[in-house]
Amino acid sequence: QKEVEQNSGPLSVPEGAIASLNCTYSDRGSQSFFWYRQYSGKSPELIMSIYSNGDKEDGRFTAQLNKASQYVSLLIRDSQPSDSATYLCAVTPPYSGGGADGLTFGKGTHLIIQP
Amino acid sequence: NAGVTQTPKFQVLKTGQSMTLQCAQDMNHNSMYWYRQDPGMGLRLIYYSASEGTTDKGEVPNGYNVSRLNKREFSLRLESAAPSQTSVYFCATTAVGSGELFFGEGSRLTVL
Repeated sequence: QKEVEQNSGPLSVPEGAIASLNCTYSDRGSQSFFWYRQYSGKSPELIMSIYSNGDKEDGRFTAQLNKASQYVSLLIRDSQPSDSATYLCAVTPPYSGGGADGLTFGKGTHLIIQP
Repeated sequence: NAGVTQTPKFQVLKTGQSMTLQCAQDMNHNSMYWYRQDPGMGLRLIYYSASEGTTDKGEVPNGYNVSRLNKREFSLRLESAAPSQTSVYFCATTAVGSGELFFGEGSRLTVL
């Protein structure tokens, strides 16, 4: 059974520090990896996608993928109170044509940035 | 530019009542999805439609039916609501071959 695991938190990080969010997945051969941010009472929004091993940077966000160890992480540099949200990791299976029908979500990590 | 629009945003039902959640998108995407989100359970796929005229079951389809009315609209129907269907429901779309989901604002449903 496909599983995507995240620490539910809350993860508390001081403002200006680096927040590190981790996600592991069970389905070796998974193709695509996504990080969604969800503010309380709102819908999820995509903030990062990564498809190959290594790092991918976008502004203050860096996604890291290690397929051999089956983990993906999200680093948020210079954390701001506005980054306080739940972060959902999502993974597509090996058979996926890239669509979202096989997308499996983790339960999310609740991040709190302390001013 | 509305993106993905869901109605209603809030609804309270009694056990056994029926209702339909509506979803419309103006993004010209082929694929549409219905998810439910429960505390501690994360997002779970109920049904999806890869293209107009097709629908498929997701992880938790029992108690639900869907209709892909046209390319823009995808509705979710509860024929006989149960308290276990109390949840927040999200409609989402993607472009073909993309894992990037665009979500509606959600519909909060309470079944008493």
